[in-house]
Amino acid sequence: DIQLTQSPSFLSASVGDRVTITCRASQGISDSLAWYQQKPGKAPKLLIYVASTLQSGVPSRFSGSGSGTEFTLTISSLQPEDFATYSCQQVNRYPLIFGGGTKVEIK
Amino acid sequence: EVQLVESGGGLVQPGGSLRLSCAASGFTLSNYWMHWVRQAPGEGLVWVSRINFDGSDTIYADSVKGRFTVSRDNAKNTLYLQLNGLGVDDTGVYYCARDNDGPGAFMDVWGKGSTVTVSS
Repeated sequence: DIQLTQSPSFLSASVGDRVTITCRASQGISDSLAWYQQKPGKAPKLLIYVASTLQSGVPSRFSGSGSGTEFTLTISSLQPEDFATYSCQQVNRYPLIFGGGTKVEIK
Repeated sequence: EVQLVESGGGLVQPGGSLRLSCAASGFTLSNYWMHWVRQAPGEGLVWVSRINFDGSDTIYADSVKGRFTVSRDNAKNTLYLQLNGLGVDDTGVYYCARDNDGPGAFMDVWGKGSTVTVSS
């Protein structure tokens, strides 16, 4: 199975900060990666797919990049509503795997 | 409004069974592959199963293979997950999710989840 390693697992940041989260795959997955945002008690929300395509309705301060084994999610200017947990997901092959998540908290 | 609503969760003893349902509205279920994803308390997301358009092709995570069965009734716009042989490790919130109508198995619509608690 493909494994995904997210870093950091926890991040403390302030409103307005630029935030970058990394997701590393145990083997190459081309651009078959998505990013989800999840708030406590809520369902995940798709932010980015095929590594860098912004899902409809998602603010442009979110961006994704990468290919192969290393991917990043960047929030250009953190907003109060962005404090949440972010998870990557590989869809290159089954079983589909999610990363362990990165919790973004207010500094 | 495009929506998925899960139901059928609850408290069950180890070894017991449950059937989860996922009612789709605002779109035609038969046009989409569908997934189940679960999340144990305080843990990350874990993919469980995927079913194709008409239910003729299904795939499962190793941890549930042989115990869980995914099915669908497109006429009723409803997805199901039959959970048998439940263990405490199956406790969590179960989400149904729509596979996006594009490249890859990205999940673009999620239900709010149904909670399954396995305990004696």
